[in-house]
Amino acid sequence: NAGVTQTPKFRVLKTGQSMTLLCAQDMNHEYMYWYRQDPGMGLRLIHYSVGEGTTAKGEVPDGYNVSRLKKQNFLLGLESAAPSQTSVYFCASSPGHPSYNEQFFGPGTRLTVL
Amino acid sequence: SQKIEQNSEALNIQEGKTATLTCNYTNYSPAYLQWYRQDPGRGPVFLLLIRENEKEKRKERLKVTFDTTLKQSLFHITASQPADSATYLCAPAGGSGGGADGLTFGKGTHLIIQP
Repeated sequence: NAGVTQTPKFRVLKTGQSMTLLCAQDMNHEYMYWYRQDPGMGLRLIHYSVGEGTTAKGEVPDGYNVSRLKKQNFLLGLESAAPSQTSVYFCASSPGHPSYNEQFFGPGTRLTVL
Repeated sequence: SQKIEQNSEALNIQEGKTATLTCNYTNYSPAYLQWYRQDPGRGPVFLLLIRENEKEKRKERLKVTFDTTLKQSLFHITASQPADSATYLCAPAGGSGGGADGLTFGKGTHLIIQP
């Protein structure tokens, strides 16, 4: 099993450009999440999904959109990138509610917006 | 809103000693508390989960305590090794006062085990 994979690993964008980050998991997990991690801020939840076809906002959703068309995939979109979105993005999944289930994290995507 | 505090400065421990990391939380009454390890350039990895009705939980050289009165969890690594050097994140979860359906993490404590 590959676990949680993220594509791409690195990306540099110019302000105003758009892109999509792809997360895939092969563990048949219901819950999936997107976090961003910034120095001094820790991990912050952007959006999450409790099942195929569902999405919900997390702590810092502005400037991002997500889709969960297939159970195994969770896409994070930036429609018009801004320098404030320079960060490391982590996808995670869990078999059930995150409070009492282990979260499995991907390796991260390092995004720089110039 | 809930607030989670972990030692903001790096913790330097000599190899073989016990490392103790602290996680304090306020404005929150979690039913669970999770601990993760994160190495540079990698995603966090789950270590332990403790429930509010469990005072202590152990896994190999790791021990976690959960004091709901003090609103604090302590994470211990006994017989520490240089390979234990990493950043450790705590995440109180569930219960009342929690946020969205994801985990809220502390900023982490950077642990350095010196040979």
